[in-house]
Amino acid sequence: QKEVEQDPGPLSVPEGAIVSLNCTYSNSAFQYFMWYRQYSRKGPELLMYTYSSGNKEDGRFTAQVDKSSKYISLFIRDSQPSDSATYLCSGGYNKLIFGAGTRLAVHP
Amino acid sequence: GAVVSQHPSRVICKSGTSVKIECRSLDFQATTMFWYRQFPKQSLMLMATSNEGSKATYEQGVEKDKFLINHASLTLSTLTVTSAHPEDSSFYICSAGQNSGNTIYFGEGSWLTVV
Repeated sequence: QKEVEQDPGPLSVPEGAIVSLNCTYSNSAFQYFMWYRQYSRKGPELLMYTYSSGNKEDGRFTAQVDKSSKYISLFIRDSQPSDSATYLCSGGYNKLIFGAGTRLAVHP
Repeated sequence: GAVVSQHPSRVICKSGTSVKIECRSLDFQATTMFWYRQFPKQSLMLMATSNEGSKATYEQGVEKDKFLINHASLTLSTLTVTSAHPEDSSFYICSAGQNSGNTIYFGEGSWLTVV
């Protein structure tokens, strides 16, 4: 079993839709969780950082962590074509472990 | 702006030669840096954790003699791919954090092509 499981997609949504991206993890020692966005042939870009359980909101993005169920979520409101990218979830305590990444396509 | 800089962004080398990739933290001192490899359409695979002033910690299956990591200062870590082979062609990415638990930022990545 991978430490971080993430559906690779692809996920295709119309512009303006609410996008829900999800991951599960198995290591209960994970303390912090991050979501990265990666455009094709580019390095990952940090989107959201969450420590322990709870919600965090930044503009159109909301990250949720439920440590009791080991579930990580990223919500994107009013999705835009520019949001089309691969989204990587990650968790860790002294190093980050990444999910496989979900490819998202937002079409006009 | 970028807080972690990686150089070179692209490099082509001949099979059997060695190539060095640099990772620099620009706005902070990084006690820990991480090196990842990413094959096309695959996720980031952690290769090793680089600790300033001490030996790197390699993940299972990563050859430490092939992928030499040096973290000689708080702002610079280098990855040297020795005796490169075509199967080493990949996207290598570094990341840096100030200490455990803090936000980790990634470099822009380095495309290595071994011909």
